[in-house]
Amino acid sequence: GAGVSQSPSNKVTEKGKDVELRCDPISGHTALYWYRQRLGQGLEFLIYFQGNSAPDKSGLPSDRFSAERTGESVSTLTIQRTQQEDSAVYLCASSLEGLADTDTQYFGPGTRLTVL
Amino acid sequence: DAKTTQPNSMESNEEEPVHLPCNHSTISGTDYIHWYRQLPSQGPEYVIHGLTSNVNNRMASLAIAEDRKSSTLILHRATLRDAAVYYCILTGFDTGNQFYFGTGTSLTVIP
Repeated sequence: GAGVSQSPSNKVTEKGKDVELRCDPISGHTALYWYRQRLGQGLEFLIYFQGNSAPDKSGLPSDRFSAERTGESVSTLTIQRTQQEDSAVYLCASSLEGLADTDTQYFGPGTRLTVL
Repeated sequence: DAKTTQPNSMESNEEEPVHLPCNHSTISGTDYIHWYRQLPSQGPEYVIHGLTSNVNNRMASLAIAEDRKSSTLILHRATLRDAAVYYCILTGFDTGNQFYFGTGTSLTVIP
């Protein structure tokens, strides 16, 4: 079956522009996660969606970052007024039930964002 | 954050076993130990997880110390395709639903 897909795979933008990144999770997965990975670094948690519950936004680095998810399907991560420090790979993952202790997260290939 | 400590890098010869260590001295009784790996230019992929007992699957084995303050991921015969960054992660009540990835161990496999 299809895995997690993300689009675009690469995005180059100018400082100050807004960008939208898209994630299509595995069908039937109720939980969805966004992470950021700067060059040579580990993954930073950004936001978590679980079903119809309020999202866990505790990892969002500033109010320029926001994310939405429609039901248990597509999610978009929006970065407003992009800054050069936003340059990174943005990874999306989904899991069946969002049970962190036992669930497996399936990751997409990521979107590489470059802010000039 | 639930803390884990891993060596920054390790090397192994091809077709030899590899033991990747992870220290988690502050682990709580309900925390699970997960291992993921990230191949170059890809998203992370699940390797294995466990709670108290040692675990085996087709990819690897996970050996968990009796006091659970450390664990070891064992690749029985390293191949060039196993060259990746390996992350040891604790998950459970204290971490909520978040996976805290550190910088992991970068494994180099020498042909």
